[in-house]
Amino acid sequence: EAQVTQNPRYLITVTGKKLTVTCSQNMNHEYMSWYRQDPGLGLRQIYYSMNVEVTDKGDVPEGYKVSRKEKRNFPLILESPSPNQTSLYFCATKLGVGTLHFGNGTRLTVT
Amino acid sequence: AQSVSQHNHHVILSEAASLELGCNYSYGGTVNLFWYVQYPGQHLQLLLKYFSGDPLVKGIKGFEAEFIKSKFSFNLRKPSVQWSDTAEYFCAVTANSGGYQKVTFGTGTKLQVIP
Repeated sequence: EAQVTQNPRYLITVTGKKLTVTCSQNMNHEYMSWYRQDPGLGLRQIYYSMNVEVTDKGDVPEGYKVSRKEKRNFPLILESPSPNQTSLYFCATKLGVGTLHFGNGTRLTVT
Repeated sequence: AQSVSQHNHHVILSEAASLELGCNYSYGGTVNLFWYVQYPGQHLQLLLKYFSGDPLVKGIKGFEAEFIKSKFSFNLRKPSVQWSDTAEYFCAVTANSGGYQKVTFGTGTKLQVIP
């Protein structure tokens, strides 16, 4: 079954404590991306990756890092989280011009 | 850069009512258009898409959308909504941006269907 798996589903942390949200896909898609979803703002792209070792900034990259060392994994790293990064995060993959396949989301709360 | 506008932020309908959600995009070139649905507590799923050809596209669960190029619109319709259609609906557009197919989402429309 085609899957995009994110972990954890829920995370509560404190300001400044580094965290990583993992994303893994089993579809061998080259493209992977991270979005954050906030009420009234829809989905905004944080970072994307066209292939292994190729990453680029989306619309709201400040405060985030990513890496793409292998095709199946695309972790999102918050080196020093702040309360304004409290949000619902989605990882997604895409094949060519095709549709996005989303993970189940990670709800992050930074206090 | 492309942008997407969804003017209806929150829509409340009774069951069996007809639905039309507006979506307008801004981009001067060729685009691909999508509607995604997010049921409560779930991730986004594809409802329907338009790449080329017949501008009236049909998706899952009785939804359809019409691409009107002259109006830069891709409105979502359903003749008769059900309570199970309660969800948030997102319009999205992809366009060539330096060789990369950037995906831009609208801000979403929350649909509440009252039994």
